[in-house]
Amino acid sequence: GAVVSQHPSRVICKSGTSVKIECRSLDFQATTMFWYRQFPKQSLMLMATSNEGSKATYEQGVEKDKFLINHASLTLSTLTVTSAHPEDSSFYICSAGRGMQPQHFGDGTRLSIL
Amino acid sequence: QKEVEQNSGPLSVPEGAIASLNCTYSDRGSQSFFWYRQYSGKSPELIMFIYSNGDKEDGRFTAQLNKASQYVSLLIRDSQPSDSATYLCAVNKNSGYSTLTFGKGTMLLVSP
Repeated sequence: GAVVSQHPSRVICKSGTSVKIECRSLDFQATTMFWYRQFPKQSLMLMATSNEGSKATYEQGVEKDKFLINHASLTLSTLTVTSAHPEDSSFYICSAGRGMQPQHFGDGTRLSIL
Repeated sequence: QKEVEQNSGPLSVPEGAIASLNCTYSDRGSQSFFWYRQYSGKSPELIMFIYSNGDKEDGRFTAQLNKASQYVSLLIRDSQPSDSATYLCAVNKNSGYSTLTFGKGTMLLVSP
């Protein structure tokens, strides 16, 4: 199956720090990349959808100034959590898709803000 | 009505039994259907996808789709303890785009 690489896998940092998470599709050109957040024992929550070369589309309730998404190429999207606070601690997962093909997920990033 | 509904479970089956996971969806315009498996603390992993009415088999897994009833299911034959996980049903509504709507998942527990 398709390989999506997400880095880093775990981040622990102080409140107020900005954190960048990278998502790469390694073996296919992803027209669309997705960013999800998942709190413990909760379902996946879509945060935003990004298409290469255009602005990301954010879901209702997700602050675009807080969660900056860049999708500079067909293989790379980044999510930056700006001035992170403890309530931003969560499991962040990216996925990559192309047309009607299945989304393939990265391994996720566990973010802990102290 | 929720867009994609799944029973949260847990669904408990003994090892070697058939596990049946069910999902209903509300949008008749839905085009494609996916089952993902998510182990605790891990990201989802694609198990099966199906586009047409009927059954699709892959090893121990069979996906069944009935668009008239807006129903999709996943059967796992010869269930193993390693199958214990949360199974997410996902539906793609828009032709040409890969945005998915996920159900909340069904937890499956396979006891040895």
